[in-house]
Amino acid sequence: DAKTTQPTSMDCAEGRAANLPCNHSTISGNEYVYWYRQIHSQGPQYIIHGLKNNETNEMASLIITEDRKSSTLILPHATLRDTAVYYCIVRMPSGNTPLVFGKGTRLSVIA
Amino acid sequence: ETGVTQTPRHLVMGMTNKKSLKCEQHLGHNAMYWYKQSAKKPLELMFVYSLEERVENNSVPSRFSPECPNSSHLFLHLHTLQPEDSALYLCASSQEHSGANVLTFGAGSRLTVL
Repeated sequence: DAKTTQPTSMDCAEGRAANLPCNHSTISGNEYVYWYRQIHSQGPQYIIHGLKNNETNEMASLIITEDRKSSTLILPHATLRDTAVYYCIVRMPSGNTPLVFGKGTRLSVIA
Repeated sequence: ETGVTQTPRHLVMGMTNKKSLKCEQHLGHNAMYWYKQSAKKPLELMFVYSLEERVENNSVPSRFSPECPNSSHLFLHLHTLQPEDSALYLCASSQEHSGANVLTFGAGSRLTVL
């Protein structure tokens, strides 16, 4: 799988949008971009994924650049419960290829 | 509750004990995974089962022995562990197909080896 680069940590004020960047400059044409988060001592939680187009669901929006070399996860109105480690992962669509997690970005939402 | 249930949630064992971690998924998925998360380290993939057959074993020591009796259940048998094996062990499941693959994780089993 292509490697991703994320900032180690970020802060965000409660109620503001949290924009989490991810660099995946070596991504191949058919690799998906996934985002997961892990709240302290819990299992990771799926947030969103995309291939080429921007995606939105009830949790977040995913903006993928046209060249697909980077993406941004947007939490539109961050709450204290969004404090977590956020993982950006790229993965081939092969059925048995597992997700490989990096160190992620530790997002702290501040009141 | 995510649809993936892990038991026990907490386990303390001595180095000579034999214990097992259990994972059960209620999602109808056909692939299951064991991950290990040590303190301040990224998640490490341990084992992958697809259609009840092991398809990946990430150089895991033999003191960890997985078992997948059917598509809904996954076990991790533990014996003669070391203190450095203390970690959060996470089970996940997914429905394998070409294209996007979303994993659903359980809450984890926190293991302490004395």
